[in-house]
Amino acid sequence: EDQVTQSPEALRLQEGESSSLNCSYTVSGLRGLFWYRQDPGKGPEFLFTLYSAGEEKEKERLKATLTKKESFLHITAPKPEDSATYLCAVQAVEGGADGLTFGKGTHLIIQP
Amino acid sequence: EADIYQTPRYLVIGTGKKITLECSQTMGHDKMYWYQQDPGMELHLIHYSYGVNSTEKGDLSSESTVSRIRTEHFPLTLESARPSHTSQYLCASRTGTGNEQYFGPGTRLTVT
Repeated sequence: EDQVTQSPEALRLQEGESSSLNCSYTVSGLRGLFWYRQDPGKGPEFLFTLYSAGEEKEKERLKATLTKKESFLHITAPKPEDSATYLCAVQAVEGGADGLTFGKGTHLIIQP
Repeated sequence: EADIYQTPRYLVIGTGKKITLECSQTMGHDKMYWYQQDPGMELHLIHYSYGVNSTEKGDLSSESTVSRIRTEHFPLTLESARPSHTSQYLCASRTGTGNEQYFGPGTRLTVT
């Protein structure tokens, strides 16, 4: 069974204080690992897709990296508008449904 | 930018009522999905469709049903709502080639 575990559950940072969010996963065969941002009361917003170990992607203050067992979302010099819940999800190569298996997310708060 | 819409955004309804949650997308995506998300919990796949007249059940058992008569439209129906159906329902879609899913804003359903 595919599983995704995210840590920490919640993280409070000062504006400008860089940090990393962790996503550990187990999947029979990884088709892709996805990062989303979700604001309260809204649907998840797509950020990145990673396909193979060693791959990295960047967008503004965010950088996602992937190894064979985990992914990190690095946040550099965050601003209050980066506050949100960040979700990690995996898609397996095999299986009947090609939906995503999600983690519970990391609730990030950036204080001014 | 994805264009996927869900209505209503919020719904409070009594036990035993029949309800239909609407989802539509203007991108011509073949694949569409319904996820259920309880507060602070993971998204769980409940239904998916690969195209017109294709519907399948997802990983999480649900008493809801879906239909796909038109490419752009993927409604979810509950024949008799119960308090246990209280949750947020999120619709998503993707192209046949790209792996990332794009989400709508969600419908928050409360059954009293």
